[in-house]
Amino acid sequence: AQTVTQSQPEMSVQEAETVTLSCTYDTSESDYYLFWYKQPPSRQMILVIRQEAYKQQNATENRFSVNFQKAAKSFSLKISDSQLGDAAMYFCAYRSDVGGGADGLTFGKGTHLIIQP
Amino acid sequence: NAGVTQTPKFRILKIGQSMTLQCAQDMNHNYMYWYRQDPGMGLKLIYYSVGAGITDKGEVPNGYNVSRSTTEDFPLRLELAAPSQTSVYFCASSYTGSGANVLTFGAGSRLTVL
Repeated sequence: AQTVTQSQPEMSVQEAETVTLSCTYDTSESDYYLFWYKQPPSRQMILVIRQEAYKQQNATENRFSVNFQKAAKSFSLKISDSQLGDAAMYFCAYRSDVGGGADGLTFGKGTHLIIQP
Repeated sequence: NAGVTQTPKFRILKIGQSMTLQCAQDMNHNYMYWYRQDPGMGLKLIYYSVGAGITDKGEVPNGYNVSRSTTEDFPLRLELAAPSQTSVYFCASSYTGSGANVLTFGAGSRLTVL
């Protein structure tokens, strides 16, 4: 079974600064996807960014980018120019693409991101 | 499009009571999922379905039942509610099981068992 580990329960960053959230995962599969989800106090799960394991290029979405190290099984999220609206829980998640990937996402425990004004 | 709709948003149950959390999607998605989120934790898979009439257990299925009679609906039944089932429940759906198809989540249902 796959596992996803987020070792930082909480992170704090000054507004406009850059912060990196860590995620490691364990899998024996070669075909999979990795995700970062944001969960604000409203509880809504919002997709931030997605990475296909077969792509070497790191995914980027505006101020959000990842550092995907497949051999090290590491998938960190970098948030540049942090804004107050970025304050939320961030979850790293894994989805297998083997056998149709029926059983959905495996989540880490999350990192609570605080933005200091 | 409404996406994934969960009802109710909040519910308080007494120990031993039963209830059904409703989930409906209007995106013609084949795959549907139920997750629970305990305080300070990530989401854990309860049950999933790959199409009408087909369901399977996830990581934490004990105390729950599901059915999938239509593509649109995937209700989660709690029998004999226990305090350990106090949690936030999320329903999600995707067109296929591939990671190329992103999961769409409902807004969540907060359940308290007293």
